[in-house]
Amino acid sequence: EAGVVQSPRYKIIEKKQPVAFWCNPISGHNTLYWYLQNLGQGPELLIRYENEEAVDDSQLPKDRFSAERLKGVDSTLKIQPAELGDSAVYLCASSSGSADEQYFGPGTRLTVT
Amino acid sequence: RKEVEQDPGPFNVPEGATVAFNCTYSNSASQSFFWYRQDCRKEPKLLMSVYSSGNEDGRFTAQLNRASQYISLLIRDSKLSDSATYLCVVLSRAGNMLTFGGGTRLMVKP
Repeated sequence: EAGVVQSPRYKIIEKKQPVAFWCNPISGHNTLYWYLQNLGQGPELLIRYENEEAVDDSQLPKDRFSAERLKGVDSTLKIQPAELGDSAVYLCASSSGSADEQYFGPGTRLTVT
Repeated sequence: RKEVEQDPGPFNVPEGATVAFNCTYSNSASQSFFWYRQDCRKEPKLLMSVYSSGNEDGRFTAQLNRASQYISLLIRDSKLSDSATYLCVVLSRAGNMLTFGGGTRLMVKP
């Protein structure tokens, strides 16, 4: 069974540029998460989807970050404009339900210069 | 104060040693607890859930103390392949939200 797929794996952009990350969860998983992980720290939740509905986006900086999961499957996370402090690994995870084991994708390592 | 706190380490131990990691959490309404393992530049993966009665999986033993809001992970007979970061994870009752600790880095040396 295929795991969580993310692309791109690496992205280098200049500050003030836009960037988008894509995630394809495990087939049949209704819950999808986007996390941010800084070096030496644990993942921090940005947003959680139940099917196509964002049920927890309290940690998402809405002035520059946006996310969508239009058909309840794939999801996209966007940053516009990117800032130097956005450099981090962006992890996508999915689970059957919100209390079930989360499976993580390999992440997208973003470097903002 | 962070919701989930761990000693960042690193813990440097020789092969065969026994090592223990501790984790404290601040939300008394937390309902479920886990240890995840994260290898360098890889994604986190579930190592084991933590049950109130304590549970063991091979060389790994997890314990939960709800009164003290404290979770532990014991690794016996450490292997080189155990070298990784171990993340303490807490599921809150409200909103089914997972909160990760900062992780404890383990390095097992020959």
